[in-house]
Amino acid sequence: RKEVEQDPGPFNVPEGATVAFNCTYSNSASQSFFWYRQDCRKEPKLLMSVYSSGNEDGRFTAQLNRASQYISLLIRDSKLSDSATYLCVVKSGGFKTIFGAGTRLFVKA
Amino acid sequence: ETGVTQSPTHLIKTRGQQVTLRCSSQSGHNTVSWYQQALGQGPQFIFQYYREEENGRGNFPPRFSGLQFPNYSSELNVNALELDDSALYLCASSLAPGALTVEYFGPGTRLTVT
Repeated sequence: RKEVEQDPGPFNVPEGATVAFNCTYSNSASQSFFWYRQDCRKEPKLLMSVYSSGNEDGRFTAQLNRASQYISLLIRDSKLSDSATYLCVVKSGGFKTIFGAGTRLFVKA
Repeated sequence: ETGVTQSPTHLIKTRGQQVTLRCSSQSGHNTVSWYQQALGQGPQFIFQYYREEENGRGNFPPRFSGLQFPNYSSELNVNALELDDSALYLCASSLAPGALTVEYFGPGTRLTVT
């Protein structure tokens, strides 16, 4: 079993749709969680950190469920520019950083 | 932009050769991590440097080595290149090591081994 797992997709949604991604992790001692977005052949860029209480940034909402060991990302009112790969990142102390394989999103007009 | 720079942007090498990739961290960041991203995969952690010392290492063989300099810039060296080393190599800098700090990525170096 992979330490961090994501549904690879692709998710194909129309503009204006709401889409949700989940990410599960296996290490219960994991300490911090992030979502990054990566455009084709570019570097990952931080989208948001994920806090236990959940957090929102505009159209994006991230949540953490420690009991079930998953994090989620909700995108509301999808835009064409949201088309990208979304990477789930889990850190468990010190230097250990694990990326999921990413979920691809295509938003269509 | 993150302020993290990498060079070169692209590189083509032959199997068995050696390669050095370079990274300049964001101003004020003393920690640099290197990642390998194969096509269709997420980045995989290679190692991290903090104040010129290796602070941790992922599951990569010893032919992957690195350095960090007093100005916190860093190098990744790969010896005896193999075809499977073809990937995007990403450098990320952060204010400090540790799980709670955010990493900011450079644009990457795309290495092709033929």
